[in-house]
Amino acid sequence: GAGVSQSPSNKVTEKGKDVELRCDPISGHTALYWYRQSLGQGLEFLIYFQGNSAPDKSGLPSDRFSAERTGGSVSTLTIQRTQQEDSAVYLCASSQGRLRGAQYFGPGTRLLVL
Amino acid sequence: SQQGEEDPQALSIQEGENATMNCSYKTSINNLQWYRQNSGRGLVHLILIRSNEREKHSGRLRVTLDTSKKSSSLLITASRAADTASYFCATDLPGGGADGLTFGKGTHLIIQP
Repeated sequence: GAGVSQSPSNKVTEKGKDVELRCDPISGHTALYWYRQSLGQGLEFLIYFQGNSAPDKSGLPSDRFSAERTGGSVSTLTIQRTQQEDSAVYLCASSQGRLRGAQYFGPGTRLLVL
Repeated sequence: SQQGEEDPQALSIQEGENATMNCSYKTSINNLQWYRQNSGRGLVHLILIRSNEREKHSGRLRVTLDTSKKSSSLLITASRAADTASYFCATDLPGGGADGLTFGKGTHLIIQP
């Protein structure tokens, strides 16, 4: 079946603008994760959704970051008033939930804040 | 928070040779996973080893886990040019907490033809 998809693939924005990044997880996967990867670095965990439960937002770097997941499927990560340090690849992953198994990653959204 | 650390940071070998990468971590884990990343985009899951397992194989991949030393190794045998990528270990904490996986900074592997 289809894998995790993310849109847009690339996003260039001006400092101070808001951006929305979208993630479509694998059908049937109840867990959804957002990560951020800066150039040459490992992944930084941002937020996790399990089904329709309220997410744990403790990994979000600032209150400019928010995320929602509608109907336990598609998720949107919103960054308000973007800053240059927000430039990174934003990766979404899904998994089958509380089994704590493999995560399946999307291709990512490369965000550049000018 | 704890973090996996891969070693070496970069590795260049000839095609056909074996490549070994190591990962160390700091606290107890539920499982440890290895991922591959090409060209800085999406990660591909390679193998998962649970805390009560010591060795696992998948094709040309062999993973070991030593919980007493809090370390793991990934061996790729008979390397190919297509194995050129960054390899990350990721640790999953026990208790099913909402922390996601904790990734190291990766080993960049280059296979010379």
